[in-house]
Amino acid sequence: DVKVTQSSRYLVKRTGEKVFLECVQDMDHENMFWYRQDPGLGLRLIYFSYDVKMKEKGDIPEGYSVSREKKERFSLILESASTNQTSMYLCASSTGTSGGFSYEQYFGPGTRLTVT
Amino acid sequence: TQLLEQSPQFLSIQEGENLTVYCNSSSVFSSLQWYRQEPGEGPVLLVTVVTGGEVKKLKRLTFQFGDARKDSSLHITAAQPGDTGLYLCAGPHSGTYKYIFGTGTRLKVLA
Repeated sequence: DVKVTQSSRYLVKRTGEKVFLECVQDMDHENMFWYRQDPGLGLRLIYFSYDVKMKEKGDIPEGYSVSREKKERFSLILESASTNQTSMYLCASSTGTSGGFSYEQYFGPGTRLTVT
Repeated sequence: TQLLEQSPQFLSIQEGENLTVYCNSSSVFSSLQWYRQEPGEGPVLLVTVVTGGEVKKLKRLTFQFGDARKDSSLHITAAQPGDTGLYLCAGPHSGTYKYIFGTGTRLKVLA
């Protein structure tokens, strides 16, 4: 079974703090993703990585950065947390086989971040 | 732009009823996935459909991929309260590693 774990289920931070969210997958997947999920807006892609040290901006990268130093670990960093970054953050991983037909994404349990 | 529209958006039914959720696009997808998400949790993968016309069953859930690979449906027979959740269809964006998510169907099954 694929397992994706996230460092915290709930997090409360103050405005201006630097926040680290960590994600680890145990299936040797090449691709890892960070999303945020907000009511009425669905899942929105923040950043993704298709290899170690490689990253691509998603649809809403502003205010975020990422780090992938090891294949199994993908970190999301909020450089200076703001109240509009209060959200549910979801990490996912998938295989990167270009010749395959399916790219199922496997999700972690999520981190509910509140910025006050 | 590839989009996935789901219908209905919300569904509230009694235990034991049957229901169907639809996922439609004007674009062809190489595969489609269905997920269920419970409140406060991450989406859990239920199934992947790959071949046009494919039907897959998971206990009381039946998934179908349209012949043209532009749409999919999820049918639940004799719904139970444990089926309550947000159902999402999703598929890979062609030519990239990105993923397109459907608009979601929120299902509530009343005991």
